[in-house]
Amino acid sequence: GAGVSQSPSNKVTEKGKDVELRCDPISGHTALYWYRQSLGQGLEFLIYFQGNSAPDKSGLPSDRFSAERTGESVSTLTIQRTQQEDSAVYLCASSREQALNEKLFFGSGTQLSVL
Amino acid sequence: DQQVKQNSPSLSVQEGRISILNCDYTNSMFDYFLWYKKYPAEGPTFLISISSIKDKNEDGRFTVFLNKSAKHLSLHIVPSQPGDSAVYFCAASAGGGTSYGKLTFGQGTILTVHP
Repeated sequence: GAGVSQSPSNKVTEKGKDVELRCDPISGHTALYWYRQSLGQGLEFLIYFQGNSAPDKSGLPSDRFSAERTGESVSTLTIQRTQQEDSAVYLCASSREQALNEKLFFGSGTQLSVL
Repeated sequence: DQQVKQNSPSLSVQEGRISILNCDYTNSMFDYFLWYKKYPAEGPTFLISISSIKDKNEDGRFTVFLNKSAKHLSLHIVPSQPGDSAVYFCAASAGGGTSYGKLTFGQGTILTVHP
């Protein structure tokens, strides 16, 4: 497909379990971002990857959150020992590069529900 | 600490009239502002942006105005169409360089355009 693809679209898990969320960016996009949207809130920046540079992890809310990216392709966001407050829509976005006027293209997100 | 605020959770407008969505920010380091539009079950899509060196940017029916002294921006949609009904997010970035994709979002405004 031509757009950013995220899987799964929905994930229900029990408190304390680990989850992995996947993002396939648009081919050729060197920059990849993870955001999350909690109920009634705006999108919250989590982490971004730009090429082979070290990722900017400044938005990760705790050390239970981590993310990896293989080259300039797939990224996975892992949440360990999930808590109820982790329930949110997790959105991935990509752009050709990280520069002014470069648009972010978002996926449809993964709705995470922690019971 | 909400650095980008959209104080109107919702707005209802008649088809053909003007829609005005407002956004306020507190961080004077923000130098690039964007509006995104989101339909249910989809990721946000880029609508229009403005750099802090400008006070207005137009793209078809959409115009963004920036008032730096008031730390306020607005999105005007003229004429409004039923297909414009969506959630609109205001976003901002600071510092240039590696920060352009690291956006701070408002909470969103639900726009409903009635036929």
